[in-house]
Amino acid sequence: EPEVTQTPSHQVTQMGQEVILRCVPISNHLYFYWYRQILGQKVEFLVSFYNNEISEKSEIFDDQFSVERPDGSNFTLKIRSTKLEDSAMYFCASSGGGPGGYTFGSGTRLTVV
Amino acid sequence: AQSVTQLGSHVSVSEGALVLLRCNYSSSVPPYLFWYVQYPNQGLQLLLKYTTGATLVKGINGFEAEFKKSETSFHLTKPSAHMSDAAEYFCAVSERGDYKLSFGAGTTVTVRA
Repeated sequence: EPEVTQTPSHQVTQMGQEVILRCVPISNHLYFYWYRQILGQKVEFLVSFYNNEISEKSEIFDDQFSVERPDGSNFTLKIRSTKLEDSAMYFCASSGGGPGGYTFGSGTRLTVV
Repeated sequence: AQSVTQLGSHVSVSEGALVLLRCNYSSSVPPYLFWYVQYPNQGLQLLLKYTTGATLVKGINGFEAEFKKSETSFHLTKPSAHMSDAAEYFCAVSERGDYKLSFGAGTTVTVRA
């Protein structure tokens, strides 16, 4: 069964450093998403991406965040200058369109120290 | 805007007993409704979804859920719990035409032998 692959599975970074979280969506999917889950809290929507541009973003997704699909296969989330409160599990998802057609990756646990 | 409330952050059941996880939603338009399961250190796996049609939806691993519009509910049930059902369960909603998911806070299920 096709999978969404996220790397790395764990990342520890110092406050103020830039991090890039990587995702390989399912190859024929067209819609891409990032969600995050702070420990003990809800899974929260960050951003959706379609046709090489952001289609929607949440208020969490401020100027410190950016997304890119650099080469037609990868989908990345960049946090420019990490804060302690960015520590969370970040999930990538992709969809071929239509309701509920999401496939989630296993997540990247980001710890900012 | 849509939102989800999951009643009970922890549910403990005996093996073989009924599992009942409660989910209520609010949505300004007819919703799509989902249940996801998350096993430790894994991603979010779709259990089942309601988009249209029959209000009783069957999913994987013996789970089912019923959409009740009058009660704005989408409770998840399984007649007989198995040890492998121990996990965290998330209810989620999206509005028609918007594939962004809004998640509930999650319910952790433990199964007693």
